[in-house]
Amino acid sequence: QKEVEQDPGPLSVPEGAIVSLNCTYSNSAFQYFMWYRQYSRKGPELLMYTYSSGNKEDGRFTAQVDKSSKYISLFIRDSQPSDSATYLCAMSAPGGSNYQLIWGAGTKLIIKP
Amino acid sequence: NAGVTQTPKFRVLKTGQSMTLLCAQDMNHEYMYWYRQDPGMGLRLIHYSVGEGTTAKGEVPDGYNVSRLKKQNFLLGLESAAPSQTSVYFCASTEPKTGVLNSPLHFGNGTRLTVT
Repeated sequence: QKEVEQDPGPLSVPEGAIVSLNCTYSNSAFQYFMWYRQYSRKGPELLMYTYSSGNKEDGRFTAQVDKSSKYISLFIRDSQPSDSATYLCAMSAPGGSNYQLIWGAGTKLIIKP
Repeated sequence: NAGVTQTPKFRVLKTGQSMTLLCAQDMNHEYMYWYRQDPGMGLRLIHYSVGEGTTAKGEVPDGYNVSRLKKQNFLLGLESAAPSQTSVYFCASTEPKTGVLNSPLHFGNGTRLTVT
């Protein structure tokens, strides 16, 4: 069993829809959670991060952590065709460095105009 | 300010051939990383470096070697390529701040390698 599970998709939704992207994890020590966005044929870029539990909002994006269920989510409101990309989750335990990040496989999102 | 630049963008190798992938960053970052990305597998760390002249093994180091002779460059070598090394290779760099939240990864745009 992988430490981090992420549905590869593709997830196809119409423009303007609310999108929910999710990752589940098995290591209860994880407390740092990140979402990276990767456009086709490009490198990933950090989109959002959260620490421990709770929500974090940035414009149309909301990151949510449910530590009791070992489940994290990224919500995109008013989705746009420019949001079409692969979304990678990554996480680590406290004090962890980038070389200790555990990555999900990524979910491919397609927003249809 | 180019960020992280990877060379070449594409390459096709025959089994047994060797090659070197070059990563260059102009952000004066101390830490550099090599990842491979395969469908359904996510990013897997091959090797990383926490400073000039230092390297360390990641999750999947077998079949690869690295060198960090200059702070701005991190080279990934394949001495005898195998079909299992067909992948997209990404280089990344970060500042040496403690904690992943303080030092996000800056990625290049990848090298697509096919080994036949």
